[in-house]
Amino acid sequence: TQLLEQSPQFLSIQEGENLTVYCNSSSVFSSLQWYRQEPGEGPVLLVTVVTGGEVKKLKRLTFQFGDARKDSSLHITAAQPGDTGLYLCAPVVPNNNNDMRFGAGTRLTVKP
Amino acid sequence: ETGVTQSPTHLIKTRGQQVTLRCSSQSGHNTVSWYQQALGQGPQFIFQYYREEENGRGNFPPRFSGLQFPNYSSELNVNALELDDSALYLCASSFGTGLSYEQYFGPGTRLTVT
Repeated sequence: TQLLEQSPQFLSIQEGENLTVYCNSSSVFSSLQWYRQEPGEGPVLLVTVVTGGEVKKLKRLTFQFGDARKDSSLHITAAQPGDTGLYLCAPVVPNNNNDMRFGAGTRLTVKP
Repeated sequence: ETGVTQSPTHLIKTRGQQVTLRCSSQSGHNTVSWYQQALGQGPQFIFQYYREEENGRGNFPPRFSGLQFPNYSSELNVNALELDDSALYLCASSFGTGLSYEQYFGPGTRLTVT
């Protein structure tokens, strides 16, 4: 069973600050997805990273997949209150029977 | 295009009872996956249905069962409810079974077992 850790568990910052959250494991992933979940809603896919070392940008969000495909990070520049939510990573492990395993998430609060 | 819908929104049951949760998949999607999200945790995969057949299962006991109908809507049934079954139950639909297909999640059903 893979051990998947997301850090930090909670993060509270002021509007305009930058932040980075992490998703780490001892297992190698085929690919990894990042989701954001707002209260009362289901998770919404932000990005899928596939290649080791890959960097993807989505406006103020920058996603990086580790070279060894065991970890990933999400960096948000100039955070806004609308970025508030639970950020979940969901790695895809080879040959795991469609079992998408989510991390526990990082709960981000951006204060105006 | 209609998104994924789930019913009911909230539900309170007593330990030992049975519950059925429902999910209507997004138009054109043939695959439905169910997840359990306990408070403060990420979603945990229960099982997936594709063309009315179970197509993968997570680490959940047999009292968690499901159905998928010809219109691709789905039900999650839980028998002999336990207190630890209290959680948000999410369904997600996709166009295919592989994890490369984007999953679209519904808003969930909040189940409380007392």
